[in-house]
Amino acid sequence: DIQMTQSPSSLSASVGDRVTITCRASQSISNYLNWYQHKPGSAPNLLIYAASTLQSGVPSRFSGGGSGTDFTLTINSLQPEDFATYYCQHSSRTPFTFGPGTKVAIK
Amino acid sequence: QVQLVESGGGVVQPGGSLRLSCAASGFTFSNYAMHWVRQAPGKGLEWVTFIRYDGSDKYYADSVKGRFTVSRDNSKNTLYLQMNSLRHEDTAVYYCARWKVEEKNFYYYYMDVWGKGTAVTVSS
Repeated sequence: DIQMTQSPSSLSASVGDRVTITCRASQSISNYLNWYQHKPGSAPNLLIYAASTLQSGVPSRFSGGGSGTDFTLTINSLQPEDFATYYCQHSSRTPFTFGPGTKVAIK
Repeated sequence: QVQLVESGGGVVQPGGSLRLSCAASGFTFSNYAMHWVRQAPGKGLEWVTFIRYDGSDKYYADSVKGRFTVSRDNSKNTLYLQMNSLRHEDTAVYYCARWKVEEKNFYYYYMDVWGKGTAVTVSS
């Protein structure tokens, strides 16, 4: 099975900051990598698929990159509504494992 | 609008059973594979199970294999999760999600529509 790790597990940032989250797969997954945002009490929300393609309706301050085993999610100019937990997930084959999550909190 | 609504959660004793439902609307349910994903209290998202659009293939996480069964009724636009031999560690919010495929030289897959979840508590 493919294992997913994320770093950091949590971070504190201010509105307007640039934030980068890293996701690593235990073996190459090409660019079969998705990013989701999850807020307490709400449904998870797809941000990026295919490692770097922005889902329709998602603000352009979100961007993704990487391929193979190493990936990044960047939020430019953090907004108040961006404080949430972010998960990567591979879609290479079953099991479609999620990373452990990165909680972005207000500094 | 495109929507998924889960139901059937509740409190159940260890060893008990529960069946969750996920009602789909606003899209052609029979065209899409579906997933169940869960989140235990204080934990991250965990993929649980997948079923193809026609029910022909099903896959499970090792943590639920042999205890949970996913199914669907395309005539009712509904996805199900039958959970048997429940354990304390199955306590979680359970989400259903649609599996979207997009062709960009290759086929890419992602969960583009999610329900708001239904809570399952396994407790004596």
